Amino acid sequence: NAGVMQNPRHLVRRRGQEARLRCSPMKGHSHVYWYRQLPEEGLKFMVYLQKENIIDESGMPKERFSAEFPKEGPSILRIQQVVRGDSAAYFCASSTYMGGGANVLTFGAGSRLTVL
Amino acid sequence: GENVEQHPSTLSVQEGDSAVIKCTYSDSASNYFPWYKQELGKGPQLIIDIRSNVGEKKDQRIAVTLNKTAKHFSLHITETQPEDSAVYFCAALFTGANSKLTFGKGITLSVRP
Repeated sequence: NAGVMQNPRHLVRRRGQEARLRCSPMKGHSHVYWYRQLPEEGLKFMVYLQKENIIDESGMPKERFSAEFPKEGPSILRIQQVVRGDSAAYFCASSTYMGGGANVLTFGAGSRLTVL
Repeated sequence: GENVEQHPSTLSVQEGDSAVIKCTYSDSASNYFPWYKQELGKGPQLIIDIRSNVGEKKDQRIAVTLNKTAKHFSLHITETQPEDSAVYFCAALFTGANSKLTFGKGITLSVRP
């Protein structure tokens, strides 16, 4: 039973390019969360999705960032026209229960984005 | 929204000693408090959690205590080992509709051999 799978593990982009980060939740999990971690900082919530629905995107910048979790396939976090400040580790987590209360959040290994 | 504060930001202990990491939260409605351990280059992993109807929970060398009145909870690690060295994050959540985990900034624990 594979855990939460994220790819790519490392991504290098030049300013202005697009970054696409993928997350396949644990088998049976239908809720996906994206968090961003800057160096020496904690995990900042970005977006919470259920299949084909964005439940809460209050932590996601209004511009350049978007997320989806289609009926088929992985969840994707998309960053357009990347800037140096987007360099961070992006973690995906999944759960089976809304809010992660009854079942814990399981995190992936993260995708580390470096913007040159 | 919820705000989680974690103190101190770094902690160094001698192998075999105990380590205590404290967190405070702001939303009295929060009712679920997990602790995650993150090793270098890896994702956070749940090590223990506690719900608001319980004051203490133990799992071998680790324990978590919760004081709802004061809105703080603590992670206790006894008989620390070098492999306990990592970043530890506390988090809080109200298990209602559309809720999400709010994390503290993390503490770097170093266990000196």
